Amino acid sequence: GDSVTQMEGPVTLSEEAFLTINCTYTATGYPSLFWYVQYPGEGLQLLLKATKADDKGSNKGFEATYRKETTSFHLEKGSVQVSDSAVYFCALMGYGGSQGNLIFGKGTKLSVKP
Amino acid sequence: GAGVSQTPSNKVTEKGKYVELRCDPISGHTALYWYRQSLGQGPEFLIYFQGTGAADDSGLPNDRFFAVRPEGSVSTLKIQRTERGDSAVYLCASSLGGQAVETQYFGPGTRLLVL
Repeated sequence: GDSVTQMEGPVTLSEEAFLTINCTYTATGYPSLFWYVQYPGEGLQLLLKATKADDKGSNKGFEATYRKETTSFHLEKGSVQVSDSAVYFCALMGYGGSQGNLIFGKGTKLSVKP
Repeated sequence: GAGVSQTPSNKVTEKGKYVELRCDPISGHTALYWYRQSLGQGPEFLIYFQGTGAADDSGLPNDRFFAVRPEGSVSTLKIQRTERGDSAVYLCASSLGGQAVETQYFGPGTRLLVL
């Protein structure tokens, strides 16, 4: 079945460092791909998404490119801030499947130190 | 405007008891989803409603779990004969409905602890 694998955390970085969180997926067809973020004490919220190959999603300085050839959707940010400390989840929605069936990775906890 | 709300925020119960978890979606959202998140894991899909009907309940783990949405707005997730393994955060999300790929807006979750 469809699945998402993302790098294990926790990840600890200094402010202004470069961030990469790796995400790869297994799916039949052409899934849509998402990054969700959960800030401390808050609910999950969509960070960015891409619905077809080579699309780049971006938001709040974060970017991820849908790479079909490597089945990847790695999250990057050039200069992290303390306020980026959160848990990041990679997720997919299968092509043609139920709208509800988001499949999530296990999450990667990011801590940014001043 | 108001987001997705869930009540209670925390629920402690004893093994074998019955619990109900409530979700109030964003006004006007016709699609509603339930997920379960165990410690250290990502959310796991349980059930999806479009309007009043369950469009996909393939994620419900067994027949102790049931969900309703009688008027197409508020939804209740019901768990019978709770087991310790049911302890998790139960998340509800809603979306506008009607499109192939939509943003799902999540509530804060209900943390269920079965003793």
